[in-house]
Amino acid sequence: AQSVTQLGSHVSVSEGALVLLRCNYSSSVPPYLFWYVQYPNQGLQLLLKYTTGATLVKGINGFEAEFKKSETSFHLTKPSAHMSDAAEYFCAVCTNNNDMRFGAGTRLTVKP
Amino acid sequence: KAGVTQTPRYLIKTRGQQVTLSCSPISGHRSVSWYQQTPGQGLQFLFEYFSETQRNKGNFPGRFSGRQFSNSRSEMNVSTLELGDSALYLCASSPSDYGYTFGSGTRLTVV
Repeated sequence: AQSVTQLGSHVSVSEGALVLLRCNYSSSVPPYLFWYVQYPNQGLQLLLKYTTGATLVKGINGFEAEFKKSETSFHLTKPSAHMSDAAEYFCAVCTNNNDMRFGAGTRLTVKP
Repeated sequence: KAGVTQTPRYLIKTRGQQVTLSCSPISGHRSVSWYQQTPGQGLQFLFEYFSETQRNKGNFPGRFSGRQFSNSRSEMNVSTLELGDSALYLCASSPSDYGYTFGSGTRLTVV
């Protein structure tokens, strides 16, 4: 079965600094990979997804992620953090039949 | 187009009672999944329905059940509520390809 590990339950960056949220996956078949963001008292919003094709995926709000098969990673980055980026971020892996599994989440704090 | 709608948004129930949560997926989406989110356990997959059939099931006791109607709307039922069932329950829908759109969730508190 597939699984996801997110390294770091809390990440803190200064406004304007690089955001790097780490995600490693385990899957016996080619995976589909996702990043979601959750703001307080809300559901999850899709940031970006990798299915096939180009391994560098651009998403909303300036985020992007790169699928690296050799490293089984799908890290999320943003060149310059904004205060509004403070939220919880979830990496997810999905294989057959829409069976999607989430990581434990990383809470991002942005300091002024 | 309208997003995934979950009702009610908030619910308070007493231990031992049962509860039904509702989810209306995005029009045209045939797959509906349910997740339980708690601070301690994170996001845990409950089950997924596709065209009225349960296609995947997570590791939850039989007190948790669901169903999907012909219009793709889905309901989730929890019987004999326990304090530990207090959580945010999230519904998500998907078209035939991968990737879910989530609703805002139902916050269930069991007292």
